[in-house]
Amino acid sequence: AAGVIQSPRHLIKEKRETATLKCYPIPRHDTVYWYQQGPGQDPQFLISFYEKMQSDKGSIPDRFSAQQFSDYHSELNMSSLELGDSALYFCASSPGPGNQPQHFGDGTRLSIL
Amino acid sequence: DAKTTQPTSMDCAEGRAANLPCNHSTISGNEYVYWYRQIHSQGPQYIIHGLKNNETNEMASLIITEDRKSSTLILPHATLRDTAVYYCIVRPYNQGGKLIFGQGTELSVKP
Repeated sequence: AAGVIQSPRHLIKEKRETATLKCYPIPRHDTVYWYQQGPGQDPQFLISFYEKMQSDKGSIPDRFSAQQFSDYHSELNMSSLELGDSALYFCASSPGPGNQPQHFGDGTRLSIL
Repeated sequence: DAKTTQPTSMDCAEGRAANLPCNHSTISGNEYVYWYRQIHSQGPQYIIHGLKNNETNEMASLIITEDRKSSTLILPHATLRDTAVYYCIVRPYNQGGKLIFGQGTELSVKP
């Protein structure tokens, strides 16, 4: 079965640079979630979209922005990168924001030098 | 959202059942119990969820107490590949859907 696709799998950037992470949800899933997992930490919710509209927002820095496009894929844009942004970034998708479970991608490992 | 409490770590012998407890004493009537696991640095994997009835799928069984204040995830025949961090999460029905990950239980399946 098709899964959530994230790209790139690995990304290395320097401080103050920008980065764009992409997420392609499971077909017919209209809800996308972004999570950040720092080293040794549990995943933390960043932001979510339902039918191309932002549906919820967590502890996402103002330097980050995200959107969901007409084909339901989503992009997380990160600017003025800091060392502390080094983390795994996971995207998950679900068929609607109800009680259906979210399915996660394999993540993007972002390293800031 | 209701808070969950899980043991930090557990061991299980390969081939035996792994029983992972979760306390969610402040759960409210519209909150589901979800279980996910994360194998080292991979994306969290959905296992099972339920509201008040016991549930079973090809991966596991979920036993929820009658008062819904606790639950147990059962892996009937644990294998080495089940070694992972297991997260018990309560989430309101039909309210946006974000998952709030707590500490989780680090399950080690040993030969």
